[in-house]
Amino acid sequence: AQSVAQPEDQVNVAEGNPLTVKCTYSVSGNPYLFWYVQYPNRGLQFLLKYITGDNLVKGSYGFEAEFNKSQTSFHLKKPSALVSDSALYFCAVRDGTGTYKYIFGTGTRLKVLA
Amino acid sequence: IAGITQAPTSQILAAGRRMTLRCTQDMRHNAMYWYRQDLGLGLRLIHYSNTAGTTGKGEVPDGYSVSRANTDDFPLTLASAVPSQTSVYFCASSAQSADTQYFGPGTRLTVL
Repeated sequence: AQSVAQPEDQVNVAEGNPLTVKCTYSVSGNPYLFWYVQYPNRGLQFLLKYITGDNLVKGSYGFEAEFNKSQTSFHLKKPSALVSDSALYFCAVRDGTGTYKYIFGTGTRLKVLA
Repeated sequence: IAGITQAPTSQILAAGRRMTLRCTQDMRHNAMYWYRQDLGLGLRLIHYSNTAGTTGKGEVPDGYSVSRANTDDFPLTLASAVPSQTSVYFCASSAQSADTQYFGPGTRLTVL
C-alpha cells in the first residue's frame, strides 16, 4: 500500500537558519513525489516535484528537496528561513497505478521565529 | 485565468439537509479531485475523476457523490449531511500528461 509519513507535527526554526521538513514514503514502482504549502485560509500551492532525473529538485521560493531512494525519503529544505515561510507543508506521493490519485501526508507546521 | 474556483466559500448546514459544493476549472485538465482536510488527518481523497464521464472512489467516499458531465465542472454532493462531514473541502485538478495538482481555495462546511 502507498503511504507517506511526515514524522514532525511542527518544526520551529530561527529566521536565517536552514530548515528541513521531513518526509518518507512507501510506494510500488517509481515514486512521483511532491511538496505543497498551505498558508492560513488558503488552498494548497505547489512547491516542487520529483519525477525522474537529478535527485536534488529546486522549487518555488528558494525551496529544494532531495530524493533519496535508499532511505525512501524526500525531505524539504531551504538554506535560510524567512518568517514568511511559516505555513503548513504537505508531502504527497502519486499512486503508481495510473489513476492519478495522490496520497498526502498529515502535514508539518513550520514556524520561523524572528 | 481563474484556475479553480469553488463555491460557496463557507456554509453552515443543518444535519439531514442536502448540499452541493461546486468546483469549476478553466485549465482544461482531464483529472479532478475532491479532498477533505481535517486537523491532524491531513488531506483525504473523497472522489476523483480521471476524465469527463468517469468517476472513482477515494479513501473516504461514504456519504458523498460526484458527477463529471463535462471537463470543467466537478460538483460534490452530500445527500443528507451529518456533523462528521464538518470539514474544509478542497477541489483540485491535474492535466493528463502532467502530475502536478492545482487546488481551489476551499469551502468551509459546518454541519450542525
